[in-house]
Amino acid sequence: DADVTQTPRNRITKTGKRIMLECSQTKGHDRMYWYRQDPGLGLRLIYYSFDVKDINKGEISDGYSVSRQAQAKFSLSLESAIPNQTALYFCATSDFGGTGAGNEQFFGPGTRLTVL
Amino acid sequence: GEDVEQSLFLSVREGDSSVINCTYTDSSSTYLYWYKQEPGAGLQLLTYIFSNMDMKQDQRLTVLLNKKDKHLSLRIADTQTGDSAIYFCAEDTGGFKTIFGAGTRLFVKA
Repeated sequence: DADVTQTPRNRITKTGKRIMLECSQTKGHDRMYWYRQDPGLGLRLIYYSFDVKDINKGEISDGYSVSRQAQAKFSLSLESAIPNQTALYFCATSDFGGTGAGNEQFFGPGTRLTVL
Repeated sequence: GEDVEQSLFLSVREGDSSVINCTYTDSSSTYLYWYKQEPGAGLQLLTYIFSNMDMKQDQRLTVLLNKKDKHLSLRIADTQTGDSAIYFCAEDTGGFKTIFGAGTRLFVKA
């Protein structure tokens, strides 16, 4: 079974709709992240969380919100989706120092979101 | 601000060596990484180097770090079609935040 799972894998929605993307992990890591990937721009950090009580904005948090329901679950919401939020979204986890590779991050398979 | 830059495309012939280059801006980076993204999948750590090292070799992979020039490279020897993927350079900027480059798409021609 995959260590980091994301649902849904693909979603097409309309402008103005509320969307929630979910992430679950079985790695036991405290740190979780949400990124979006756009061609030519690489990965940009939306939000990150170091534990259940800790939520921090990343570089592109406007238009997004998150919820850390448990150590294993971190969801991303788009309150009112707009077309320029069309992208590939990745959830990741890390356990700083745990693997010997600093803050090595473990990624889910991604959610492809299209906003029409 | 912090930034990681890399070229977007590289094309090589099967059996040749591939060299992917990256520059970064944060001189206090402790770890520098290369992640690989295969089609339809998330990123996966390929290799990393600690900032006090100049070189790291792992089978077909060689990582070179020039701290003075803030330059990182990844060499893949005997490149195979299975190496076709997007390769991301990344740096740690203080233990909790990782800055990723835009990714280099490697095409391997048979």
